[in-house]
Amino acid sequence: GAGVSQSPSNKVTEKGKDVELRCDPISGHTALYWYRQSLGQGLEFLIYFQGNSAPDKSGLPSDRFSAERTGGSVSTLTIQRTQQEDSAVYLCASSLPGYNSPLHFGNGTRLTVT
Amino acid sequence: QKEVEQDPGPLSVPEGAIVSLNCTYSNSAFQYFMWYRQYSRKGPELLMYTYSSGNKEDGRFTAQVDKSSKYISLFIRDSQPSDSATYLCAMNWNSGNTPLVFGKGTRLSVIA
Repeated sequence: GAGVSQSPSNKVTEKGKDVELRCDPISGHTALYWYRQSLGQGLEFLIYFQGNSAPDKSGLPSDRFSAERTGGSVSTLTIQRTQQEDSAVYLCASSLPGYNSPLHFGNGTRLTVT
Repeated sequence: QKEVEQDPGPLSVPEGAIVSLNCTYSNSAFQYFMWYRQYSRKGPELLMYTYSSGNKEDGRFTAQVDKSSKYISLFIRDSQPSDSATYLCAMNWNSGNTPLVFGKGTRLSVIA
């Protein structure tokens, strides 16, 4: 079946521009996560959705970052006024509810801010 | 001190070797421990999942958890070039959908 799909796969943008990153989770997965992966920094948690609500936004690095999820499915991560330190791979993962449900990751969006 | 520490490597071994990958952690509340494998330019995929202390074996892979030492390991027997990837440990502290805490990952190369 289809896995987690992220688009675009690569994005190059100029400093100061806004970007939108999209995640299509696996059908039926109610939990959705955004992580950021920078070279040498590992996976950094950004935000978690259960259905359309975000009970945990603690990882968003600044108010330039926001995310939404509609219809319990597609999620969009928006970065406003991008900075060079925002350059990273942004990974989305989804899972079924429950402790034994593994995270299924997409292949990420590689964002480069010039 | 980071919550989860993992040596980033790189680790290079000959084909057929036994590989040992490790993580230490500081939060004694962690109960669920996972290992993910990530190939270049791909997302991580779940490799092993263990709850609390003990061992779990799956084919050539064995995961060990020692909660008293706050130390987890992944062993790969008869390593293959196809095992070349970055291995990330991950853990969390309850059974809900709380975010996993990841190590930085260890890059492994298995040389034919």
